[in-house]
Amino acid sequence: TQLLEQSPQFLSIQEGENLTVYCNSSSVFSSLQWYRQEPGEGPVLLVTVVTGGEVKKLKRLTFQFGDARKDSSLHITAAQPGDTGLYLCAGAGGGSNYKLTFGKGTLLTVNP
Amino acid sequence: GAGVSQTPSNKVTEKGKYVELRCDPISGHTALYWYRQSLGQGPEFLIYFQGTGAADDSGLPNDRFFAVRPEGSVSTLKIQRTERGDSAVYLCASSLIRGVQGNEQFFGPGTRLTVL
Repeated sequence: TQLLEQSPQFLSIQEGENLTVYCNSSSVFSSLQWYRQEPGEGPVLLVTVVTGGEVKKLKRLTFQFGDARKDSSLHITAAQPGDTGLYLCAGAGGGSNYKLTFGKGTLLTVNP
Repeated sequence: GAGVSQTPSNKVTEKGKYVELRCDPISGHTALYWYRQSLGQGPEFLIYFQGTGAADDSGLPNDRFFAVRPEGSVSTLKIQRTERGDSAVYLCASSLIRGVQGNEQFFGPGTRLTVL
């Protein structure tokens, strides 16, 4: 069974601060995705990383896939209240590239 | 264009009752997925359809859960003899094709099921 551990589980910061969220596993994934979910909504895809060591940037968000494709991180620079939400990582692998295994998520609150 | 829609948005039922949850995928998406998200958890895979057939139902927790997609579009998740432990948000997602790395799954808003 593939498991994804996310840390921290909860994070409350002030507007303008930087933060990093981690997603770790003992399993190798063929791809890893990051989602953001707001209350009452489904998850929305932010990025997919495929290659070990890959770094992708989306405005103030930087995503990195570990060299061994077992872990990933999400770094947010100068967080804004609009970044508030549940950040989920999800991996595809184990012979299936459609069955996503999700972490429990990191609930981020950015205070103005 | 319209995204994935799910009805009802909320469903409250009593233990032992039967419920049906509906998912309307994005038009033209051949792949459809059901997930279950319990409080404080990430979504958990239940079943995947490619067209009309259930290509992978390995995530269904037991035989009280069943899903259909008779015409390859709308899907219905059916739960018999509901139990309190079935209470969760049931998410549906669709994607254009499968078998491609990084293929994006688009999620609906979910149905919040509460079993009293």
